[in-house]
Amino acid sequence: DAGVIQSPRHEVTEMGQEVTLRCKPISGHDYLFWYRQTMMRGLELLIYFNNNVPIDDSGMPEDRFSAKMPNASFSTLKIQPSEPRDSAVYFCASGSGRLNTGELFFGEGSRLTVL
Amino acid sequence: AQSVTQLGSHVSVSEGALVLLRCNYSSSVPPYLFWYVQYPNQGLQLLLKYTSAATLVKGINGFEAEFKKSETSFHLTKPSAHMSDAAEYFCAVSFSGNTPLVFGKGTRLSVIA
Repeated sequence: DAGVIQSPRHEVTEMGQEVTLRCKPISGHDYLFWYRQTMMRGLELLIYFNNNVPIDDSGMPEDRFSAKMPNASFSTLKIQPSEPRDSAVYFCASGSGRLNTGELFFGEGSRLTVL
Repeated sequence: AQSVTQLGSHVSVSEGALVLLRCNYSSSVPPYLFWYVQYPNQGLQLLLKYTSAATLVKGINGFEAEFKKSETSFHLTKPSAHMSDAAEYFCAVSFSGNTPLVFGKGTRLSVIA
């Protein structure tokens, strides 16, 4: 299996621009997570889906952030408009079965820099 | 509130020395516990997990961790550090039901030749 695939790996954009991050989970996994990693706050859960349905989006910082999962093999995280404080590494992870015993498989991350 | 705490944001050891990375959790119920490792410019990968079977858990690359309920701890150890162990290590906890993992802030391990 190819693992969790994220794109782009690196994104540099200017404040105010729209940013779209993409994720392809491992085939057969029914959970998908979006995390954000920064030096100050560590690894934060933004939102997660089960069977393509958003379960908990309480970690999404504000309305500028939105996430979709139109099908089992694709998810997007969108930031519009972007701000410098959104600069971080965004990880997508997928898993199956019970969350508290199963393993999460992470992508390599999308490093976002907002100037 | 239930939480997980990793003591020490940065640990430095000599090659061949014991590695000890600390993790404590606060919970009124026995949790499920995990250690993940992150190499530079990569995502996290599972090192080991405790799911209420044996309290001493062995993982990949010679790492192991012991669940101590009385101390609410799940420290990660390796008898002899190798240069390739240099990475960021995350303790993670799931407290109840089908809820997502809560990650600690991570401990960066440096190994000195």
